[in-house]
Amino acid sequence: NAGVMQNPRHLVRRRGQEARLRCSPMKGHSHVYWYRQLPEEGLKFMVYLQKENIIDESGMPKERFSAEFPKEGPSILRIQQVVRGDSAAYFCASSPLSGNSNQPQHFGDGTRLSIL
Amino acid sequence: QQQVKQSPQSLIVQKGGISIINCAYENTAFDYFPWYQQFPGKGPALLIAIRPDVSEKKEGRFTISFNKSAKQFSLHIMDSQPGDSATYFCAASKAGGFKTIFGAGTRLFVKA
Repeated sequence: NAGVMQNPRHLVRRRGQEARLRCSPMKGHSHVYWYRQLPEEGLKFMVYLQKENIIDESGMPKERFSAEFPKEGPSILRIQQVVRGDSAAYFCASSPLSGNSNQPQHFGDGTRLSIL
Repeated sequence: QQQVKQSPQSLIVQKGGISIINCAYENTAFDYFPWYQQFPGKGPALLIAIRPDVSEKKEGRFTISFNKSAKQFSLHIMDSQPGDSATYFCAASKAGGFKTIFGAGTRLFVKA
C-alpha cells in the first residue's frame, strides 16, 4: 500500500552544493505538488506539476529552484547553490486526475534539508 | 487575499475536553476546505474536509463548522485524547486552481 514516497528523508549539503529531492506519487495519481515548511510554520506552496508540465510555479523562488515531473520516474525538486536559508522540510503531495473539482492531496513524509 | 488565518497558535486541553481551532479566509473563490493533522517527523494527513454548500460535517469525534457569510470555519475535536496531540492545519483551495493555501498551524496538546 504505497503512499507518496519521498527520498531521501534527510539530506545534508554544504553551502554552494546542489540538492535533489525526489517524489514518487501514489499509484494512479498524475498531479504532484511541492511545499516547503519552515520550523514552527505552515506549508508554503511552491509548484504544481502534471506529467511533463509545470502548471503553477507561482511559489517557486525565481532563482536556483527548479522542478520537473518527467514521463517516466519521480518528480524532482532541484535546488542549486544552496544557502543556509534553504534549510527546511520539503513535502511532496499528489492527487488523482481531478478535472474541475478539488481532490484531496496526499502527502509524503518529507525531506529534511540541512545546509551546513 | 490568498491568506488563511488560523488561531490559536497553540492549545492545551484536558483529556475528554473539546478542542476548537478556528480559521478565516478572504478569497470567496475558495470552495474546498480541508483540515490536516501532522505528527512530528511525518507529513500532513487529511483529517476531514468540507465544501461551502454545507454548514457542518461530522466524522467520528471530528466536526467542521462552516460559516460562509463570515468566511470562517472551525474544527472541533470532541472527547480529546492524548493521541490527538499533533499540529493541525486548516487549508483552502478553489476549483480548477489546485493550489492549496495552508494556515500557520495549531499545536494541540491533550493532557492525560
